[in-house]
Amino acid sequence: GESVGLHLPTLSVQEGDNSIINCAYSNSASDYFIWYKQESGKGPQFIIDIRSNMDKRQGQRVTVLLNKTVKHLSLQIAATQPGDSAVYFCAENTNQGGKLIFGQGTELSVKP
Amino acid sequence: DAGVIQSPRHEVTEMGQEVTLRCKPISGHNSLFWYRQTMMRGLELLIYFNNNVPIDDSGMPEDRFSAKMPNASFSTLKIQPSEPRDSAVYFCASSGTTLWVDTQYFGPGTRLTVL
Repeated sequence: GESVGLHLPTLSVQEGDNSIINCAYSNSASDYFIWYKQESGKGPQFIIDIRSNMDKRQGQRVTVLLNKTVKHLSLQIAATQPGDSAVYFCAENTNQGGKLIFGQGTELSVKP
Repeated sequence: DAGVIQSPRHEVTEMGQEVTLRCKPISGHNSLFWYRQTMMRGLELLIYFNNNVPIDDSGMPEDRFSAKMPNASFSTLKIQPSEPRDSAVYFCASSGTTLWVDTQYFGPGTRLTVL
């Protein structure tokens, strides 16, 4: 029979626009969060991280926001470029010996 | 700087054959993780090591899967016998000196196809 794969949430944006990718995490005890970018045929690549004692952290063109009250994490990409097209995963460290739990991913598609 | 190195990059084998995947972590890292990625299940942690010692293998699907880390610079993931449902991309990742809060850096993956 035909297999059914995960249906990834998809975000489509115009080049130059800002992108916001959201993630709901599962464990209120998690104290460290990471965003990864995975391009087709490659392994996940670290983008930015944030610890639970912060609510915002900025990198180059990227900002991560953490709302512990509602267990929500977001990744903002400024001036999105075609090279940003990829699947983005959030991951949380649940204080279980370094184990990361990954979200299902969001596919970002940038239209030129 | 060399990142995590995995070999082979692609492996095609027939059902019932033994498959061995290899990983060289980033030098100086002391934690190593094996993941499997499929369309059906996403990215799953199979097993991880700290200082060459297996810490958690609860993600290993069954006895056909085994992993070893004989030294700080090498790990293997073995599947014996392989089955078509093992077809996936297998990633190795390593992280630095602190087990609890370090970023994991991923290798390029091994795409396994079992016919």
